[in-house]
Order: sequence, then C-alpha cells, then structure tokens
Amino acid sequence: LAKTTQPISMDSYEGQEVNITCSHNNIATNDYITWYQQFPSQGPRFIIQGYKTKVTNEVASLFIPADRKSSTLSLPRVSLSDTAVYYCLVGDSNTGGFKTIFGAGTRLFVKA
Amino acid sequence: GAVVSQHPSWVICKSGTSVKIECRSLDFQATTMFWYRQFPKQSLMLMATSNEGSKATYEQGVEKDKFLINHASLTLSTLTVTSAHPEDSSFYICSARGGGGVQTQYFGPGTRLLVL
Repeated sequence: LAKTTQPISMDSYEGQEVNITCSHNNIATNDYITWYQQFPSQGPRFIIQGYKTKVTNEVASLFIPADRKSSTLSLPRVSLSDTAVYYCLVGDSNTGGFKTIFGAGTRLFVKA
Repeated sequence: GAVVSQHPSWVICKSGTSVKIECRSLDFQATTMFWYRQFPKQSLMLMATSNEGSKATYEQGVEKDKFLINHASLTLSTLTVTSAHPEDSSFYICSARGGGGVQTQYFGPGTRLLVL
C-alpha cells in the first residue's frame, strides 16, 4: 500500500484559496487518489477522487501531476466551516484487495 | 446517494458486557465493508475488512475474538465488542464500498462507545 505524507496543519483566512499537497511516492499503477474531510466526532466525508490530471467538482479541485507521486487538493474561498482534518488516501479501487489506510491527515484551521 | 448509517450513534456500557454496532449501506450494495477505530486527536485505524458472506480479515494487533464482525448481507455489517473494557472506549467508524469498477468508500457517522 502506498504511504502518504501531508502537512500536519495549515492555517488560512476566510475567502482564501487553500491548497493541501499530499506526497505518495510509491503510488501503484492501479491506485486512485481520494480526499476526505472529517469534522470532530463525525465520520470522514468524501470530497474528491482522481487518477491523473485535474478533477473538479462543486466543492474542490484535485490536481495530479503526470508522475502521480503527489496530489494537491484545492479548496476555493474557504469559510470557517471548512475547519476540519483532511485526509489523502491512495488505493486500488479495482481489486478485491483494496483497503484504505489513513495517514495523519492535515488539520486545516480557517480564521475570520 | 451513497449513504452509510450506523446504529447506535453512542453507547455507554458496563465493563464485561458486549456491545453490537450496526453499519448499513442505505442506497447501494456494499460488497466490502471496513471497520475503523479512532482515538481523540488521532487518525482512523483500520481494524478489519469484511466481504459479504466471507470471514473478516483483521489487521495485525486486532483481536478477532474480541471484535466480532459479521457481514451477512450486502447492506449490513455488524461489529460486536465482546467483554468490553474501559480501554475499548473509542469512536468506531464503518465504511462501505460497492463492487466493480472504481468504487469509493463512504463512511458512516460513527459510534461513540464508552465503557465504564
């Protein structure tokens, strides 16, 4: 399983764009990259998933370079409610052996 | 879509008793379900993976006789903490994914267990 490395914490202000980068040097050919958001005492919430290049949905964008050894979650114009822990996960969704191992995550604190 | 529920959301029990936690996929069939445990200020720790109709696969260090997992149907998995002790107090989270193609894991809201 590919190990992921993220910054432990980040601070931002309301209205700013926040970019959280995740390193996954040992990513395998079949691995997808998935980001989750977790608030205290809640289960993680799916944000976005991608394999390569750029993926965008209504809440975030995910940038993946050609070598796929890292990925960047971009949150446009954050608000106070975006204060949470963000997890980057790498795994192979296509095989029965898929399982998700969580890293430490990035604790984002959005200030007014 | 892709909603996973857990029941109960919190439970308090006496030491030595057993507690069952249910995890249901409400709008999709979950061929694989996962159980995690999370302590305060820490990340999620995978306890076991279960495929419908098969025995669960436990992670190293997780006692299979203490944490009984049953995945009897494509929409339901249960975790039973047997002879619970205070050190088992934690936040238990399940997740589910469907089969075939690129499938995302969706997580339940979690169950807070407090063993007195």
